[in-house]
Amino acid sequence: GAGVSQSPSNKVTEKGKDVELRCDPISGHTALYWYRQRLGQGLEFLIYFQGNSAPDKSGLPSDRFSAERTGESVSTLTIQRTQQEDSAVYLCASSLVVGADQPQHFGDGTRLSIL
Amino acid sequence: GDSVTQMEGPVTLSEEAFLTINCTYTATGYPSLFWYVQYPGEGLQLLLKATKADDKGSNKGFEATYRKETTSFHLEKGSVQVSDSAVYFCALSNFGNEKLTFGTGTRLTIIP
Repeated sequence: GAGVSQSPSNKVTEKGKDVELRCDPISGHTALYWYRQRLGQGLEFLIYFQGNSAPDKSGLPSDRFSAERTGESVSTLTIQRTQQEDSAVYLCASSLVVGADQPQHFGDGTRLSIL
Repeated sequence: GDSVTQMEGPVTLSEEAFLTINCTYTATGYPSLFWYVQYPGEGLQLLLKATKADDKGSNKGFEATYRKETTSFHLEKGSVQVSDSAVYFCALSNFGNEKLTFGTGTRLTIIP
């Protein structure tokens, strides 16, 4: 597709369940980022991948959060034992390469609601 | 660490009014600066960017100038339209730390 694709667009789950969010970056983009946007707040960085390098996990809020990426394609963000404070919109972005001057292209996000 | 401080919203203006949304930043070195926009029901998209001091980014009638002396990147538009109603985010990215650091966003509403 032409843009970054995320699925599902909405997810409602019970506290304590595990969830998996998916991101398909723009074809050819080597860098992939995950952010979280809580209601009324700015975007918080979670993790990014650049090619086959070790990911920068410095933004992951706890060990319940993990992410994987296979090569330069799909990425999944997994949240284990979800808590109510995990409710947010999870945004994925990709860029051609990692670089401070590189614009990031965002998907429409997954709105996660924890009951 | 790097941070972005953005004008609190919401901001409500009449059509054809002049718009300024203030953004200041704290960062080491020479970050790149961005404005992203989120229109109602749509995803976040890049509006404009500037990668070095005194650069001016522009798009869709919006402008912002990278001012290193005042560590600012204020967004301006001379005559806003109803279609400009959206949430605007100021952000920066730094060499060696290429994730985006965002401000909290400013919700803009333009009244006909």
